[in-house]
Parts: sequence; structure tokens; C-alpha cells
Amino acid sequence: NAGVMQNPRHLVRRRGQEARLRCSPMKGHSHVYWYRQLPEEGLKFMVYLQKENIIDESGMPKERFSAEFPKEGPSILRIQQVVRGDSAAYFCASSGAEGSTDTQYFGPGTRLTVL
Amino acid sequence: QKEVEQNSGPLSVPEGAIASLNCTYSDRGSQSFFWYRQYSGKSPELIMFIYSNGDKEDGRFTAQLNKASQYVSLLIRDSQPSDSATYLCAVLSGGSYIPTFGRGTSLIVHP
Repeated sequence: NAGVMQNPRHLVRRRGQEARLRCSPMKGHSHVYWYRQLPEEGLKFMVYLQKENIIDESGMPKERFSAEFPKEGPSILRIQQVVRGDSAAYFCASSGAEGSTDTQYFGPGTRLTVL
Repeated sequence: QKEVEQNSGPLSVPEGAIASLNCTYSDRGSQSFFWYRQYSGKSPELIMFIYSNGDKEDGRFTAQLNKASQYVSLLIRDSQPSDSATYLCAVLSGGSYIPTFGRGTSLIVHP
């Protein structure tokens, strides 16, 4: 499967725990984007990364949220001390090149539920 | 503030009809336009992209772009119940790499 991979598909955490969401981009892609989608709402951009670099994190909350895309391995979105408001679907998308016309392809998403 | 507006719907059409989905955007510098389909509980799936004014056809789907009027539309011919989903419009400004998504239009195709 050469598509965007995300795991886990479903994640349940209690308030105060940490959540780690993983994303492996499509083969040949080096650009990763993370989005959050609340029920009945649109996709909200969080962060854009390339290998070992955060390019744009303007959509990421300043506290508790962090992201990385190491030289080896998947991109990781980390949410520390989760709260109920963090419950949402988190989607990762990848693209092949930087540029204004490049198309993003989405992974299946991680559904995070905070109890 | 870049805005992308879509009627939330639901848009209900009978099977076999043409479904017309519309999207308007605020940034005149927008250059790339995308339509995604999202089934309930699933991730967005790219249907089409369009860069130039006019029509672009792919099977039963036609994207129409009018930059002067700042709207982009998606026509689905011979609508099928399997087309029932939320359709997201995404717009990318020149020099940007982060598209702005609309909140989507819910389409229901009834037999």
C-alpha cells in the first residue's frame, strides 16, 4: 500500500495522559501536513513539516501540542495532558513537493477520544 | 483572512440527476482549487483539481472555475446513491502551501 498511513486508527486516552499519533507519508512524498476535524466542522490546519524541519506551525495550539518528522521514521503529533476538547479526528496528508500547485493526499485518520 | 464558503446543505437529488455543488472564495490570488469527497467517518479523498478558468471533466465529474467571480463548482452527472457524502472545497493561494478548506456540502442522492 503506497498510500498515506496513520496509526493508531482509534485512540482512547484519559484526561491528563499523552497521545501520540503517527503518520507515514505516501511513497516518494517528503511533505507532511496535520489537520484536526471536530464533528460537524471543517478541516483545520495544524502544522506543516518536512524531514527534520517544521515549516509552518501556525495552526497548532501553543501549549501541549508538538510535532516532529525525523530523518528516519514517521511523523509524530504529540498531545500532552489531553483534555476532553482534544477529542477529534486527526488527519495527516502528504505531498510530493513544495509548491503552490501540489496536491495533498490524506491518510485514514486517527480518531482520538478523551475520557 | 482567507475564506472559503460552501452551503452546508444537505443537497438532496434523485438518482440519475445532476448534482451541482458550489464554492466561493475570498482571496483573488488563489491559484489552485481542489474538490475532496468525505464519507461519514472516513478521510477526505481527492476527486479533482483545477487551475485554469473553464471546465475540467473527469468521468461523471466536472469542475468549473470562474476566477473573475471567485467561485468554483463541481457537477456530478448521473448521480448515484454511492455519491452521498460531504464534498469539501479547498483553495490554495499563490505562493502558499496550506490550502483553506470550506466546511463542506452534504450531498444526499436518493433512489
